[in-house]
Amino acid sequence: QKEVEQDPGPLSVPEGAIVSLNCTYSNSAFQYFMWYRQYSRKGPELLMYTYSSGNKEDGRFTAQVDKSSKYISLFIRDSQPSDSATYLCAIPAIKAAGNKLTFGGGTRVLVKP
Amino acid sequence: DGGITQSPKYLFRKEGQNVTLSCEQNLNHDAMYWYRQDPGQGLRLIYYSQIVNDFQKGDIAEGYSVSREKKESFPLTVTSAQKNPTAFYLCASSIGAGGSSYNEQFFGPGTRLTVL
Repeated sequence: QKEVEQDPGPLSVPEGAIVSLNCTYSNSAFQYFMWYRQYSRKGPELLMYTYSSGNKEDGRFTAQVDKSSKYISLFIRDSQPSDSATYLCAIPAIKAAGNKLTFGGGTRVLVKP
Repeated sequence: DGGITQSPKYLFRKEGQNVTLSCEQNLNHDAMYWYRQDPGQGLRLIYYSQIVNDFQKGDIAEGYSVSREKKESFPLTVTSAQKNPTAFYLCASSIGAGGSSYNEQFFGPGTRLTVL
């Protein structure tokens, strides 16, 4: 079983719809949970991160963590064509040396005007 | 502007040749990382360095080598021993590496390597 799993998509939605993205993870010791956005042929950029369980909101983006289910989610409200990108969940192993990140495979999102 | 630069953006090499990918940062970060990205597989860690003159293997180090002679620079060499080198290579850096909290990794624009 992979440490972090993510549906590859693609996920196609009309402009204005809510985009729902999910990842599952296997290690219950994980504490931080990140979402990166990657535009085509570019490097990823950190979108949001959460610590432990609960919700975090930033503008149109909401990140949720359910540690009991080992499940993390990212919601994008009022989606725009500019949100078309690949979204990667990532989990750092902070107690291990190196600040290493384990990434999900990424979900490609296409928002159609 | 502070950031991470990678060059070249596109690189072609013949089978059997070694090739070196450049990564430079002016963020004064101690830690630097190299990842490989294949379609549908996310990013996989090749090597990382927490400090100058020190580096460790990541999850897929076979066929790769690195050096860290300067804080700003962390070049990656893809050797002929790497069986499937065609991929998108990403360099990242962070203020530190490890500890009690996570240090955000900032990514460069990437180098797309194609083996002909």
